[in-house]
Formats: sequence, C-alpha cells, structure tokens
Amino acid sequence: AQSVTQPDIHITVSEGASLELRCNYSYGATPYLFWYVQSPGQGLQLLLKYFSGDTLVQGIKGFEAEFKRSQSSFNLRKPSVHWSDAAEYFCAVGKYSGGGADGLTFGKGTHLIIQP
Amino acid sequence: KAGVTQTPRYLIKTRGQQVTLSCSPISGHRSVSWYQQTPGQGLQFLFEYFSETQRNKGNFPGRFSGRQFSNSRSEMNVSTLELGDSALYLCASSLKGADTQYFGPGTRLTVL
Repeated sequence: AQSVTQPDIHITVSEGASLELRCNYSYGATPYLFWYVQSPGQGLQLLLKYFSGDTLVQGIKGFEAEFKRSQSSFNLRKPSVHWSDAAEYFCAVGKYSGGGADGLTFGKGTHLIIQP
Repeated sequence: KAGVTQTPRYLIKTRGQQVTLSCSPISGHRSVSWYQQTPGQGLQFLFEYFSETQRNKGNFPGRFSGRQFSNSRSEMNVSTLELGDSALYLCASSLKGADTQYFGPGTRLTVL
C-alpha cells in the first residue's frame, strides 16, 4: 500500500524568507503526486501536481515542487513567503488502476506559520 | 465555471441518528470521491463514484454508503452515527477519476 510522510508537523518561517516543505512517498510504481493547501475551515486547494515529464513543476501562488525518484521525494518550495501563505499543506499520492482512481493517500500535513 | 459545492456546510446530529450529505461536482466532471478528515486520522478516502457506480472503496464500515445520480451529483449517507464520526467530510470531483481532483469546502459534521 502506498504511504506519504510529511516529517515536519509545524514550520515557522519569517515573511520574505524561502520555504521548503518535505514530502516522502512509498509507492510501487510511478506515482501521481499532488500538493494541496487548506486554510482554516476550508476545503483543499490544489497547488500543483506531477504526473510525468519534467520533474520540476510550477504551481499557483509562486510554488514549485521537484520530483526526485531516487529519493522518493516531492518537496514543495517557495522563494519568498507572504503572510497569506500561512495554512496547512498536504502532500498526496494518487493510485490509478483499471481506469479508475483508488483514492488519494495524504500525508498528515505541515502547519505553516509566518512570522512578521 | 463553478467549483464543487457541498451542502449543508454544518450539521449537528446525535448518536444513533443517520445523516445525508450532498455534493455537486464541477460541470462535466463524472467522478466524485469522498474523504473524511479528522485531527487524529487525517484525510482518509471513503469511496469514489463514476457514472453512478461505486468504483473504489476505502476501509470504512458499512454504515458509510453513497450513491451518484445521472447528473453526477453524489450523496453520502452515514447510518447509526457514532461520536467518532464527527469530522469534516470533503467531496472531490474530477473528469474521469484518473486525473486531478478538485475539492469542495466540506461539510462539518458534529455528533453529540
């Protein structure tokens, strides 16, 4: 069974500083990888996704992520964070078989705090 | 294009009751998936529907069920509610399942 690990439960970053959120996955085949963001009381908003091709993917709000197969990682980065980036971030892996989705497997999330 | 909508947004029930949650996918999307989010267990996959058929199911008891209508709208039902069913229930839609899922705002269920 696939699994996703987000090692950092909380991360505190100063506004304007760079950010990297870690994500490691376990999956037997080439995974479909996603980063979602959730603000308090809200649903999940897709930041970016990796299906195949270029291992560096660009997303919304200035985020990017790099797929590293050798390290089973899909870390999220942003060069300069804004106070509005404070939220919960989830990494997820998708398993698709027989034309259907078996559902996304999510990490436990990383809570991002922005210091002024 | 309108996003995924879920109704109601908040719900309070008592143990033993049953509840029905509704999800309207993005127009043109035929796959609807349901997830449960709790502080302890995080986000967990419940089931996925495509063209009115349940294609996949997560590891939840039979008290959790769902259905999908011909217009792709989906409902989720939980019978004999338990305190542990208190959670945020999220619905996600995608074109055909094997692609990106877009989430609704969720229904916050509180069981007293």
